[in-house]
Amino acid sequence: AQSVTQLDSQVPVFEEAPVELRCNYSSSVSVYLFWYVQYPNQGLQLLLKYLSGSTLVESINGFEAEFNKSQTSFHLRKPSVHISDTAEYFCAVSDLGGAQKLVFGQGTRLTINP
Amino acid sequence: DGGITQSPKYLFRKEGQNVTLSCEQNLNHDAMYWYRQDPGQGLRLIYYSQIVNDFQKGDIAEGYSVSREKKESFPLTVTSAQKNPTAFYLCASSTPGLAGLEQYFGPGTRLTVT
Repeated sequence: AQSVTQLDSQVPVFEEAPVELRCNYSSSVSVYLFWYVQYPNQGLQLLLKYLSGSTLVESINGFEAEFNKSQTSFHLRKPSVHISDTAEYFCAVSDLGGAQKLVFGQGTRLTINP
Repeated sequence: DGGITQSPKYLFRKEGQNVTLSCEQNLNHDAMYWYRQDPGQGLRLIYYSQIVNDFQKGDIAEGYSVSREKKESFPLTVTSAQKNPTAFYLCASSTPGLAGLEQYFGPGTRLTVT
C-alpha cells in the first residue's frame, strides 16, 4: 500500500521569501507524484506532476518540485512567494494500477504574510 | 466550458436523514471519484467508478452509496448510517491511461448535519 506524509501542517512565510513544502511517500512499486493546490472553499487544481523523465518539474506560476527516489521525497519549492499563493497544498501518489487511484497527504496550509 | 459541477455548494440536513450529493461532468471522462475532506486529514476516497454501471468501494465507504447509470453523472448518497457525515465532499473525474492520473475536481459540497 502507498502512503504520503506531508511533514508540515502549516507553513507561514513572508511575501517574497522562499518556501519549501515537504512531501515524503512510501511505496513498494514505481510511483507517479503530484502536487495539487486548493484555494479556500474550492476544489483542487493540479499544480504539477512527475510521471517520468526529468526529476525536476515546474508549474506555470513559479513552483517546482524534485523527485528524489533515494529519499522517497517530492518537495515543492518556490523562490519568492506572493500573497496569491496562500492556499492549501496536497501531495499525492499513484501507481498506475487498474483503478488509477490517488493517495493524498494530509495537506500543508501555506500562509503568506505581507 | 468543460468541467465538473457539484450541487449544491452548501447543504444542511437533520441527523437521521439520507442526503444525495450531485456530481456531473462534461469532460467525457470514464472514471469518477468521490472524496471526503476533513481538516488535517487530507482527502479520503469514498467510492470510485471506472465505467458506467460499475463502481468500487474506496477507503471509507461505510455509510455511503453511489450509482453510475450515466457516464456524466456519479451521485453520492450519505445515509443515516454514516456516523459523522459533516464534511466537505469533492467529486473528481479522469480518463484512462497515463493521462488519467490527473484528476479534475469539482468545486465541492459542504455538508452540515445537525
